[in-house]
Amino acid sequence: GESVGLHLPTLSVQEGDNSIINCAYSNSASDYFIWYKQESGKGPQFIIDIRSNMDKRQGQRVTVLLNKTVKHLSLQIAATQPGDSAVYFCAENSNNNDMRFGAGTRLTVKP
Amino acid sequence: KAGVTQTPRYLIKTRGQQVTLSCSPISGHRSVSWYQQTPGQGLQFLFEYFSETQRNKGNFPGRFSGRQFSNSRSEMNVSTLELGDSALYLCASREWTTRTDTQYFGPGTRLTVL
Repeated sequence: GESVGLHLPTLSVQEGDNSIINCAYSNSASDYFIWYKQESGKGPQFIIDIRSNMDKRQGQRVTVLLNKTVKHLSLQIAATQPGDSAVYFCAENSNNNDMRFGAGTRLTVKP
Repeated sequence: KAGVTQTPRYLIKTRGQQVTLSCSPISGHRSVSWYQQTPGQGLQFLFEYFSETQRNKGNFPGRFSGRQFSNSRSEMNVSTLELGDSALYLCASREWTTRTDTQYFGPGTRLTVL
């Protein structure tokens, strides 16, 4: 069936390095994508979104890239900090307003 | 604006009991969605309410139900609790604009079934 999934369940990076978290989706009808960050003991927090008519969107230290050809979404975090340690989820929304989430990637930042 | 609030934050129940969780969305948001989160399962959609009507429903048994009040506050109920119902239950209020469709999550209710 159609699903949203993540390539890697865990990612460990050195403080100051850039992080890249990947997400694959299979529903070609999805037209809106969101990245969420979830810290321990908290609910997911919105980071950045992108519509399917865009390839790239930048925020503060974060960039989301969308490759519709291969149905791939990535989140890039520049100069990763210890406070970035969390689980990151991608989510997709298709025309039927069904928001679906990936399993999540745990990012660990080493000092 | 105040964020999404959920009560209680922690709950311990025994098998066979029932439980009611409460969620207050961000002021002005009329849509509330509920999710179950367990280790390794990610976020699983339970149901969504909009203007007091259930608009979408996930693949959960009928023991899971919900409702929404006229002030947009929502409750979910789980009857005849099972050990597997132990999870973090998240509520999200939803905001649509012409360009975005974003869900804002509450801190969750951690339910433990013994």
